[in-house]
Amino acid sequence: SQTIHQWPATLVQPVGSPLSLECTVEGTSNPNLYWYRQAAGRGLQLLFYSVGIGQISSEVPQNLSASRPQDRQFILSSKKLLLSDSGFYLCAWRGGSGNTIYFGEGSWLTVV
Amino acid sequence: KNEVEQSPQNLTAQEGEFITINCSYSVGISALHWLQQHPGGGIVSLFMLSSGKKKHGRLIATINIQEKHSSLHITASHPRDSAVYICAVRRQGGSEKLVFGKGTKLTVNP
Repeated sequence: SQTIHQWPATLVQPVGSPLSLECTVEGTSNPNLYWYRQAAGRGLQLLFYSVGIGQISSEVPQNLSASRPQDRQFILSSKKLLLSDSGFYLCAWRGGSGNTIYFGEGSWLTVV
Repeated sequence: KNEVEQSPQNLTAQEGEFITINCSYSVGISALHWLQQHPGGGIVSLFMLSSGKKKHGRLIATINIQEKHSSLHITASHPRDSAVYICAVRRQGGSEKLVFGKGTKLTVNP
């Protein structure tokens, strides 16, 4: 069966520090991968998606970047965090042959 | 105006009540998702609809493509159903972007 893992679950980082959130998917190949953010009191917002290794599409301009070094690995990064980067980050995947989307456990980021 | 509107924003019910959450959208879609987000933040996909009706346990989801409207029903509600329920649509044309509603916070009291 397919599973998705995301880590770390929570982190508190100072302004200006780097960020790396990692997501891996098991039990499927060539998934579409997504990073979403949910800021406090707001709905989910798509940040990046990837349809294949090394292929990254950005939905909104921001202080973040994404990479897909392996088929089932998706990484969200920042070189210098801003206070506004605080929020709940969710990794998700969708199989190529279907439309159901599956979410990771999420990562709570607080930038102080 | 948001492309996806949910109502109500907040809903409080007594255990056992029948619950309906509504979602209206203003764009052409290829699919509509109902998601459940628990207080810890984790999100679970409940349904993916492109037409008609789906049922899973006590949950029923319907969609009317012509009216651009979907409903999520919970029969015999239970306190463990307390969560935020989110409607999301995928635009027609192969878009990878899901457009999300702001969610409905459901509280079921024992």
